[in-house]
Amino acid sequence: GEDVEQSLFLSVREGDSSVINCTYTDSSSTYLYWYKQEPGAGLQLLTYIFSNMDMKQDQRLTVLLNKKDKHLSLRIADTQTGDSAIYFCADLNRDDKIIFGKGTRLHILP
Amino acid sequence: NAGVTQTPKFQVLKTGQSMTLQCAQDMNHEYMSWYRQDPGMGLRLIHYSVGAGITDQGEVPNGYNVSRSTTEDFPLRLLSAAPSQTSVYFCASRTGGFYGYTFGSGTRLTVV
Repeated sequence: GEDVEQSLFLSVREGDSSVINCTYTDSSSTYLYWYKQEPGAGLQLLTYIFSNMDMKQDQRLTVLLNKKDKHLSLRIADTQTGDSAIYFCADLNRDDKIIFGKGTRLHILP
Repeated sequence: NAGVTQTPKFQVLKTGQSMTLQCAQDMNHEYMSWYRQDPGMGLRLIHYSVGAGITDQGEVPNGYNVSRSTTEDFPLRLLSAAPSQTSVYFCASRTGGFYGYTFGSGTRLTVV
C-alpha cells in the first residue's frame, strides 16, 4: 500500500537551519502537508503545497517538492527552541484520505 | 469557534470494558477522521467519514465502531477494550478539497 516515510530524529543547533525530509509513494497525491506537534498537544497544520508546485515559502518555512522523486522537504530557517516538536509529513491521496508519516522529532541543541 | 473538541482527555479502562470517545466540531466540516498515535508508529487512520450518514474503515479499524448521525459529531466506540488499544486518540475534521485537518487535543487512553 501507499506509504509516507520520514526519518525519526533530527538534532540541530539553535540558529542553524533545520531540514526535515519526507518521501511518499502515491504518485497521484494532490496536496502534501507539514504538521507540527508540540508535547501533549494535537497536530497543527504548518503549511501545505500543491503537487504542481516546486517550492513554497512562508516566513521561516520553505517547502521543496520534487515530484519526480516523490520527495518533500521542510526547511526551518534560524531554528529556535520553540521549534522543538515532532513534524509530520502527510499527503492527500487518490481516495481523498490524508496519510501521515511517522513523524520526525526535532531536537534543538543550545 | 471551539474547533474540534474531544472528551475525555484521559481515561483508564479495564480489559473488556466498553466506552465511547466523543468528538464534536463546530466548523461545519464535512470530513471527520479518527487517528491513533503510538510511539514510533505515527498516526494511523481508524475510521473516517465524508458526511453525515457515511463512514468507512481506515488502516486499523478492528475493535472500533463509529457513526455519523450529524455533521458535528463523530463518536468512536471501543466495543471490548484490550491493552493493545492503549494509545492517544485524535479526532480531526476538514472541509473537502485541499484543506488540511484541524485536530482535537487528543484523548489518552490506558487499558489495564
